[in-house]
Amino acid sequence: GESVGLHLPTLSVQEGDNSIINCAYSNSASDYFIWYKQESGKGPQFIIDIRSNMDKRQGQRVTVLLNKTVKHLSLQIAATQPGDSAVYFCAEKLDFGNEKLTFGTGTRLTIIP
Amino acid sequence: ETGVTQSPTHLIKTRGQQVTLRCSSQSGHNTVSWYQQALGQGPQFIFQYYREEENGRGNFPPRFSGLQFPNYSSELNVNALELDDSALYLCASSLDRGGEAFFGQGTRLTVV
Repeated sequence: GESVGLHLPTLSVQEGDNSIINCAYSNSASDYFIWYKQESGKGPQFIIDIRSNMDKRQGQRVTVLLNKTVKHLSLQIAATQPGDSAVYFCAEKLDFGNEKLTFGTGTRLTIIP
Repeated sequence: ETGVTQSPTHLIKTRGQQVTLRCSSQSGHNTVSWYQQALGQGPQFIFQYYREEENGRGNFPPRFSGLQFPNYSSELNVNALELDDSALYLCASSLDRGGEAFFGQGTRLTVV
């Protein structure tokens, strides 16, 4: 597959360890946030979302934390697996019904076997 | 897989030419959004089509235009191609204007 990006922030994590990916979002008026995973040669894939009236949401092996005070979002992945290697993007919307997603720059996560 | 298909997967064009990219939305979805993803960056919103009408546009010049057809498939047209138009073009379909976006695999456009 082809590379999604060559100059992204990178994070390398040992297989089985937990990883934390951070994101600073741009608009204090944003109400809805999503984390996407993008594997090489593919489009972004939805992982988990959170609305601004929450500060934490858990999914299967993933947790998203939202700190509106400092406009910060994080994605925690538990017990990482080789298939978690990808580029991860946070995205924001003004509200759930808005048409426009604004993406961050992304972080490349590499899982070391 | 998301059920959103894009064609072609790769394309090489010369500066000044015109290009048309195509997207078939997931069954039942009436909304299609287009994004441009330059190398090393996150996707940037170009525009959205809902039931054949443009419903929101990002910061792209008028030479980027689109269409949505009665079956909700969509086209992205770019005129007078520039070198900086080289990017991965992503299409996403959703059940409604603000619904969860399901992305296709993208079309890699190279302008030389």
